[in-house]
Amino acid sequence: EVQLVESGGGLVQPGRSLRLSCAASGFTFDDYAMHWVRQAPGKGLEWVSGISWNSGSIGYADSVKGRFTISRDNAKNSLYLQMNSLRAEDTALYYCAKDMRNRIAVAGIDAFDIWGQGTMVTVSS
Amino acid sequence: QSVLTQPPSVSGAPGQRVTISCTGSSSNIGAGYDVHWYQQLPGTAPKLLIYGNSNRPSGVPDRFSGSKSGTSASLAITGLQAEDEADYYCQSYDSSLSGPGVVFGGGTKLTVL
Repeated sequence: EVQLVESGGGLVQPGRSLRLSCAASGFTFDDYAMHWVRQAPGKGLEWVSGISWNSGSIGYADSVKGRFTISRDNAKNSLYLQMNSLRAEDTALYYCAKDMRNRIAVAGIDAFDIWGQGTMVTVSS
Repeated sequence: QSVLTQPPSVSGAPGQRVTISCTGSSSNIGAGYDVHWYQQLPGTAPKLLIYGNSNRPSGVPDRFSGSKSGTSASLAITGLQAEDEADYYCQSYDSSLSGPGVVFGGGTKLTVL
């Protein structure tokens, strides 16, 4: 079964850091671009960051550029999001999502066919 | 303010047809990038409904269809059912100079009357 499981969320003070992880199973992880998408309470979807299958293409939303870093470890079938200088507006449910087609050169062109259940990040003092 | 514009809400009676629009610009939909649609039921993760403007993944009923023209796209749902009540989001890619990346619409809440 194709599955994505996020972890690492929690309550953190403004200005602090947090690292999210996404464990993938059931597919050839290193063939697919991966993404982080967040959803603030009661709000819509916001793409946060994406990384191509070979890490050759990486993108960030303007709202997190310079503060968040996406990475992947293909040997561990895992995706990560290092979040620094967290702000109250970063409070959201963070989803990990997979590109539908394999080996797409540009992260973000394709649809996301598999999503995890999300991990909640709350930034508050 | 989302890059892609969707109506906040639409509604219809069971059996009726509804459409949800998604309006973009020359740097995203109008540039030829595909539009994808997602359904999000309350308390669950989004589910891919339409990919590549008009294609349905396996398991999605043919009551759902998508189209794209110019700088806009649409999702149509025919034979509306109570279980279709959900939030719907469009997605595309934006190649603007400020930073290329994925863009979503603000979402549309479908109410089945």
